[in-house]
Amino acid sequence: GESVGLHLPTLSVQEGDNSIINCAYSNSASDYFIWYKQESGKGPQFIIDIRSNMDKRQGQRVTVLLNKTVKHLSLQIAATQPGDSAVYFCAENRDPSGGSYIPTFGRGTSLIVHP
Amino acid sequence: DAGVIQSPRHEVTEMGQEVTLRCKPISGHNSLFWYRQTMMRGLELLIYFNNNVPIDDSGMPEDRFSAKMPNASFSTLKIQPSEPRDSAVYFCASNLGGPGEKLFFGSGTQLSVL
Repeated sequence: GESVGLHLPTLSVQEGDNSIINCAYSNSASDYFIWYKQESGKGPQFIIDIRSNMDKRQGQRVTVLLNKTVKHLSLQIAATQPGDSAVYFCAENRDPSGGSYIPTFGRGTSLIVHP
Repeated sequence: DAGVIQSPRHEVTEMGQEVTLRCKPISGHNSLFWYRQTMMRGLELLIYFNNNVPIDDSGMPEDRFSAKMPNASFSTLKIQPSEPRDSAVYFCASNLGGPGEKLFFGSGTQLSVL
């Protein structure tokens, strides 16, 4: 049969609202988790990271929460702006071969901010 | 620093042709990654170099794909022969290596194989 393209999860919010983007990861041994933002036509860009021994980290308008019990990561964006519209990826840095940290990316979530 | 530089920005070619994608990492970065992005599979790691040496090429889909890093400032990803299913955006990224190092991505090469 014909394969069907998978659509990205999409989050639509109004300008000024808070946004929460979720991510599930697979490897409980991952040391670092990093959020990237990808705008149309560009490569992903670093937003914020969190080490596995932390539960929460805050940046400018962004907060990342890590729940290791359920292997869940979230990115909270306060007062979302139209410029925040992009695809957001979480990535885990895993070490499968002793010293070589390889970033593995999730599927991504499309954030659409309506003015 | 100009960031990670990729060329060409767009490539349109016919099935069976050889395609070469180029990447210049950020000066001083010792790790370089090639990713492929499609709607079907998202961002897939193809190959990873550390200090110019390929460390993990398990993501390279077939023997048609090859990558080289002859020196610290240049890498190529070659597809020979190309097929329509190779159409995707190919990203190069670099970092300093290590567990918490973020990736710096280039702008990507949009490849269309007709």
